[in-house]
Amino acid sequence: AQSVTQLGSHVSVSEGALVLLRCNYSSSVPPYLFWYVQYPNQGLQLLLKYTSAATLVKGINGFEAEFKKSETSFHLTKPSAHMSDAAEYFCAVSDQNNFNKFYFGSGTKLNVKP
Amino acid sequence: DTAVSQTPKYLVTQMGNDKSIKCEQNLGHDTMYWYKQDSKKFLKIMFSYNNKELIINETVPNRFSPKSPDKAHLNLHINSLELGDSAVYFCASSQGAGFTDTQYFGPGTRLTVL
Repeated sequence: AQSVTQLGSHVSVSEGALVLLRCNYSSSVPPYLFWYVQYPNQGLQLLLKYTSAATLVKGINGFEAEFKKSETSFHLTKPSAHMSDAAEYFCAVSDQNNFNKFYFGSGTKLNVKP
Repeated sequence: DTAVSQTPKYLVTQMGNDKSIKCEQNLGHDTMYWYKQDSKKFLKIMFSYNNKELIINETVPNRFSPKSPDKAHLNLHINSLELGDSAVYFCASSQGAGFTDTQYFGPGTRLTVL
């Protein structure tokens, strides 16, 4: 069975600081992994996805994530936070062998301080 | 042009009423979805249609009935509304039927049941 855990429901960083949002998954087979962002009062937007190609995935707005099988992790990073990055971030997982299953994590709210 | 649109944006109604939420996508995608986001921001898939055919029907009360008149539209009808139905409902679409493809989300419909 698939599941995804996001550590930290709220993360606060200063503008210009490193952003690190954590995501761990449990899966019996290599999964597909996604990060979506939700700005206030808007729908979700894909930041990046891992589909068993390169383990370091670059996304939009300067974000990237690295798939680490040994750690069952897919943490999202950005070297320098911008005020416009303040939003809710969701990690999601899909099973390669069962494309009808898709699970979102509980979300991490990123606050960026001036 | 809005890629995935939903109407209405806000819906306030009394318990026991029947209501519908409409969704349209102009991306030419084959697959559409309905998600429910609760007050804790937890997102859960409800239904998925591929070329007007139901392919995913998660454990959802049968008071919820999706209808897809064509592959560009997926409407959600809810009978006998209950307090617990209060949530934000998101429509999404993707090109393929599996969750490996990028999903494009609508802006959401905030349903409040009084």
